[in-house]
Amino acid sequence: KNEVEQSPQNLTAQEGEFITINCSYSVGISALHWLQQHPGGGIVSLFMLSSGKKKHGRLIATINIQEKHSSLHITASHPRDSAVYICAVTKGGNTDKLIFGTGTRLQVFP
Amino acid sequence: DGGITQSPKYLFRKEGQNVTLSCEQNLNHDAMYWYRQDPGQGLRLIYYSQIVNDFQKGDIAEGYSVSREKKESFPLTVTSAQKNPTAFYLCASSRGPVGTQYFGPGTRLLVL
Repeated sequence: KNEVEQSPQNLTAQEGEFITINCSYSVGISALHWLQQHPGGGIVSLFMLSSGKKKHGRLIATINIQEKHSSLHITASHPRDSAVYICAVTKGGNTDKLIFGTGTRLQVFP
Repeated sequence: DGGITQSPKYLFRKEGQNVTLSCEQNLNHDAMYWYRQDPGQGLRLIYYSQIVNDFQKGDIAEGYSVSREKKESFPLTVTSAQKNPTAFYLCASSRGPVGTQYFGPGTRLLVL
């Protein structure tokens, strides 16, 4: 079983819909990361969080440390949000090694 | 502009050849990483370096080698010992432990 699990694997939505992507992990962590990978392959870091909630524009990331669960929400989705969203965790301790989920492929149609 | 560059974007290798993938950063980051991405799998760590002249094996280091002679540069060599090298390779850097990692655009390696 992977230490980081994401759901769903694939997601389609109509423009304007509210989207939620989930991430569960089974190890102790010092931080959780949400990344966005565009069709060309480049990866951008969206959020790094260790507690609570962060918001950037239409994106919101939450984490529940007790339940070992995080969600990424996209409000008012747009076709340009179409990408693969990847959850990754930094294990506890003085390390910056990331463990990655397999990603959620999102397609938003106009 | 600060960032990470990788070259080339596409690379073709004949069986039995060694090839070197370039990764350069001008973010003044101490830590650098190499990842491999295969379809349907999460990124996997090949090698990482937390400081110049030092590096450690990641989860799938066999068949790969690296060097870290300069802070800005962390080249990855895919040797002929790597039996299944066709993949997308991503380089990243971070300021230090538990920091946000910044990724390069990636190199797609194809074995002919």
